[in-house]
Amino acid sequence: DAGVTQSPTHLIKTRGQHVTLRCSPISGHKSVSWYQQVLGQGPQFIFQYYEKEERGRGNFPDRFSARQFPNYSSELNVNALLLGDSALYLCASSLQVRGTEAFFGQGTRLTVV
Amino acid sequence: EDKVVQSPLSLVVHEGDTVTLNCSYEVTNFRSLLWYKQEKKAPTFLFMLTSSGIEKKSGRLSSILDKKELFSILNITATQTGDSAVYLCAVLSSGYALNFGKGTSLLVTP
Repeated sequence: DAGVTQSPTHLIKTRGQHVTLRCSPISGHKSVSWYQQVLGQGPQFIFQYYEKEERGRGNFPDRFSARQFPNYSSELNVNALLLGDSALYLCASSLQVRGTEAFFGQGTRLTVV
Repeated sequence: EDKVVQSPLSLVVHEGDTVTLNCSYEVTNFRSLLWYKQEKKAPTFLFMLTSSGIEKKSGRLSSILDKKELFSILNITATQTGDSAVYLCAVLSSGYALNFGKGTSLLVTP
């Protein structure tokens, strides 16, 4: 069985550009969450989607948005990129909205120059 | 504000040693505590703990939760160089997000 897959694995963008990151959850999982991890810190929660609806949002600016598709895959969009958006972006999938284990993908390493 | 604190932040041990990693938390409406191992990129799920005093075990790794004292420990016995990684503790409370600590960076030397 495939685990959580994310694409791309690495990305370099210029300040002011926008970026779209993609995530496919484990088959059968309906919940997808996005986290941002900067060097030396634990992952910080950005969004959770369950059954195509936003169920939670972390303390991130409106430049960050996401959506979930009917096949439960998800996209994270970041507009007007700042140098401080450089980080590892992790996607986690779980069976239900909460109370079950969350499994992470390999992440997308975003570098903003 | 929910808080998850891990200690120590970093640790260097020799192969064969036993290590204990700590995670304390202050959250409202605690639901569960999860441990992950992170090498390079993807955090790999280790354990999920919801009940106090019940040890979870997988090979040389074990973990226990104390809901009265609000902490958990992760033990690794007979450490190997492959155990070198960052170990993350996360707590799920009333919201939908996992609240992570900063992690403990473990280096096992030959």
